Amino acid sequence: QQQVKQSPQSLIVQKGGISIINCAYENTAFDYFPWYQQFPGKGPALLIAIRPDVSEKKEGRFTISFNKSAKQFSLHIMDSQPGDSATYFCAASMAGSNTGKLIFGQGTTLQVKP
Amino acid sequence: GAVVSQHPSWVICKSGTSVKIECRSLDFQATTMFWYRQFPKQSLMLMATSNEGSKATYEQGVEKDKFLINHASLTLSTLTVTSAHPEDSSFYICSAGGVGGANVLTFGAGSRLTVL
Repeated sequence: QQQVKQSPQSLIVQKGGISIINCAYENTAFDYFPWYQQFPGKGPALLIAIRPDVSEKKEGRFTISFNKSAKQFSLHIMDSQPGDSATYFCAASMAGSNTGKLIFGQGTTLQVKP
Repeated sequence: GAVVSQHPSWVICKSGTSVKIECRSLDFQATTMFWYRQFPKQSLMLMATSNEGSKATYEQGVEKDKFLINHASLTLSTLTVTSAHPEDSSFYICSAGGVGGANVLTFGAGSRLTVL
């Protein structure tokens, strides 16, 4: 119930295309859903995050779509660029005593071909 | 913005020795920091929650005597891998939250530990 399942494991997209990564969770106590981008040998960097009271959040080329009833959320990268090639992790955390404890998905390695 | 600094960024040690990794919040105070471990091409696994002025809370399966955590100030947490063995070789990453919300975590750049 603590798991966050992420797919696909790897993704290859042409430059200018749309990259879509999906995540699903079981625990309805989760109330914060961030996406992180990680380059090799570096720590994860927060890309964008959403809370369950909204169904979509957009920041530049990055959009999170959130489906509360299905317990799913996804990251869309519009106009994908070679510089977006990295590993992306979805995550979830809950309020209360566990605030800040992130449960990460398995990660998706994105390759954007020029 | 919030910055978390880790040191060292990489370390090589001999089997049986102990290694200390520091995690500092540079421009904010963090009463809570988190330590993660990441194996190559895998996800981040939470090891422990570091609480300023009190004992760390370890996740199930993480040996607290093996991975000593000290959070002596609001800007510094340390992870000491004691009697390191080759299987402890990994990427250790800390994070701290509070800026923008308790859930909003800033991660350090990570520390690559190689035990020979």
